Amino acid sequence: EVQLVDSGGGLVQPGGSLRLSCAASGFTFSDYSMNWVRQAPGKGLEWISYISSSSSTIYYADSVKGRFTISRDNAKESLYLQMNSLRAEDTAVHYCARDTVIYLWGQGTLVTVSS
Amino acid sequence: EIVLTQSPDFQSVTPKEKVTITCRASQSIGSSLHWYQQKPDQSPKLLIKYASQSFSGVPSRFSGRGSGTEFTLTINSLEAEDAATYYCHQSSSLPWTFGQGTKVEIK
Repeated sequence: EVQLVDSGGGLVQPGGSLRLSCAASGFTFSDYSMNWVRQAPGKGLEWISYISSSSSTIYYADSVKGRFTISRDNAKESLYLQMNSLRAEDTAVHYCARDTVIYLWGQGTLVTVSS
Repeated sequence: EIVLTQSPDFQSVTPKEKVTITCRASQSIGSSLHWYQQKPDQSPKLLIKYASQSFSGVPSRFSGRGSGTEFTLTINSLEAEDAATYYCHQSSSLPWTFGQGTKVEIK
């Protein structure tokens, strides 16, 4: 089955760190660029980061630049998001998402930043 | 950053009615505009890519059109299962951006 499985979310204090993971299966992971997209509770979708298939090109939204780091391991068919210096406004469901046109979404993992 | 503005924000519709959602871009994005459907507690799902191309498996009552700065998603003969929030998304230039969403409720 073609799928993305997100994990790693949880409750973290402001200023803390968290690492999200996304496990891909059912397709050739190394052929596709990947993204992280988030959705704050009751709000709309926000793209936050992009990584090309070979990791040669990486982009971030201004809202996370300098705090978040996207990476991937094609051998392990996995995508990651290292989140540092977390703020209350980072509270959201975080989805990994395949390709520029998002044909495939993970189920999402909830990150809650609160003291 | 390209801003996408959807209208309306909310629409309450009777089954079998036609629904039209508009997405306007703050600058020309060609045809790099895509539509997604999101139901409560679910991940978004792709409906239409590149303004007018239906994604595999999507019911034929969903259609899209437009180019440049103005785009529309049309749902012909609305069904109860179409109750959801609909988002447009541009991939013309980074940062990718989404519209604020249009919630469609079934009367």
